[in-house]
Amino acid sequence: GAGVSQSPSNKVTEKGKDVELRCDPISGHTALYWYRQSLGQGLEFLIYFQGNSAPDKSGLPSDRFSAERTGGSVSTLTIQRTQQEDSAVYLCASSLGQEKNIQYFGAGTRLSVL
Amino acid sequence: GENVGLHLPTLSVQEGDNSIINCAYSNSASDYFIWYKQESGKGPQFIIDIRSNMDKRQGQRVTVLLNKTVKHLSLQIAATQPGDSAVYFCAENTHRPPNNFNKFYFGSGTKLNVKP
Repeated sequence: GAGVSQSPSNKVTEKGKDVELRCDPISGHTALYWYRQSLGQGLEFLIYFQGNSAPDKSGLPSDRFSAERTGGSVSTLTIQRTQQEDSAVYLCASSLGQEKNIQYFGAGTRLSVL
Repeated sequence: GENVGLHLPTLSVQEGDNSIINCAYSNSASDYFIWYKQESGKGPQFIIDIRSNMDKRQGQRVTVLLNKTVKHLSLQIAATQPGDSAVYFCAENTHRPPNNFNKFYFGSGTKLNVKP
């Protein structure tokens, strides 16, 4: 597509439920990133994919968080047993994965855990 | 993680004035920097980048200055317009083996308010 697409744009869930957030990167971009942004804060790195593999998962805050990427394209970030502190905007970015690596961001998914 | 921070969390300027947004970074090995603009309800948008072998780079109405001696980065916006109102983030990147990928560290951002 023309840009990075994320869905849903907003998600309201109850504490304890599982959620899945989807990211559709720019066509041809081999690198894909997930970030979390709390209100009024900067971007917190979660995980990075190069192709379908994730060489760096160091930012995932707990084992309730997982992500996968299939076909070198779409990625899904899953949060199990959501907690109120998981409420944030989850941003996805993609890039060509080359040395000069400008990341292009989607509009994000705003997650609210009640 | 790396410490990339901003001197001013909010900045208010008059329309037509020039704006300067500052950023400090802590890793002297960082070799690539990007400024992003984030409008309300949107994802960050690339503005301009600079490599560590440069100290200045100009774009359309924007200039980025890099001072490696004091590990300081600034974004200058000329003739600031209401459409420039947003949060601005600096991000630093270091190519680190073995993964050697572009992991960026973002500052907390500066909110720019442009008064008409």
